[in-house]
Amino acid sequence: QITLRESGPTLVIPTQTLTLTCTFSGFSLSTSGVGVGWIRQPPGKALEWLALIYWDDDKRYSPSLKSRLTITKDTSKNQVVLTMINMDSVDTATYYCANFWFGESFEHWGQGTLVTVSS
Amino acid sequence: QPVLTQSSSVSASLGSSVKLTCTLSSGHSSYIIAWHQQQPGKAPRYLMKLEGSGRYNRGSGVPDRFSGSISGADRYLTISNLQSEDEADYFCETWDTSTRVFGGGTKLTVL
Repeated sequence: QITLRESGPTLVIPTQTLTLTCTFSGFSLSTSGVGVGWIRQPPGKALEWLALIYWDDDKRYSPSLKSRLTITKDTSKNQVVLTMINMDSVDTATYYCANFWFGESFEHWGQGTLVTVSS
Repeated sequence: QPVLTQSSSVSASLGSSVKLTCTLSSGHSSYIIAWHQQQPGKAPRYLMKLEGSGRYNRGSGVPDRFSGSISGADRYLTISNLQSEDEADYFCETWDTSTRVFGGGTKLTVL
């Protein structure tokens, strides 16, 4: 059974850096073809893809947010970490992680974590 | 980069069928898409992959009331015998080697 769970702060001060961790089980990021991505959803709005990382450490970022994002993996801990710098109120959203196979859609989703950006 | 367009809302009666549309932007009409369901207050759930040939593959545990089809650049999700639990937001997703894109979502109301 594949599960993913997001963790991190619920409140972030504007201009600060957000660090989120996705901890997963039921698959390994050392397996060829596997990847994990991050997606966010502002309240009442659509899903927005942020970043993804492949088993071979190849990384891709949303062009509109690329300068603010860093994605890394710790295969031994079954974790993927997303860092977003210079947070603003417009970044208030529920942040999800999800896994996928190379060339396939996101398949298993975490429950999401709501991050509020406010002073 | 592809763009996915979805109508914002649709309503249908309990027990009836409804067809949701996701339209691929010009030049991307052959792309594979996926459909995800998001029930109120919950995380998205993968429903199916829909290929440019019209073939679709439902995710594990997805009822066969959910089916997919295509016409040109349009990708459809048809839900038959609507149930109350089908009231949700439905998002389409597409991808290539460099990017992932979601549609704006369609809110389905079951009357």
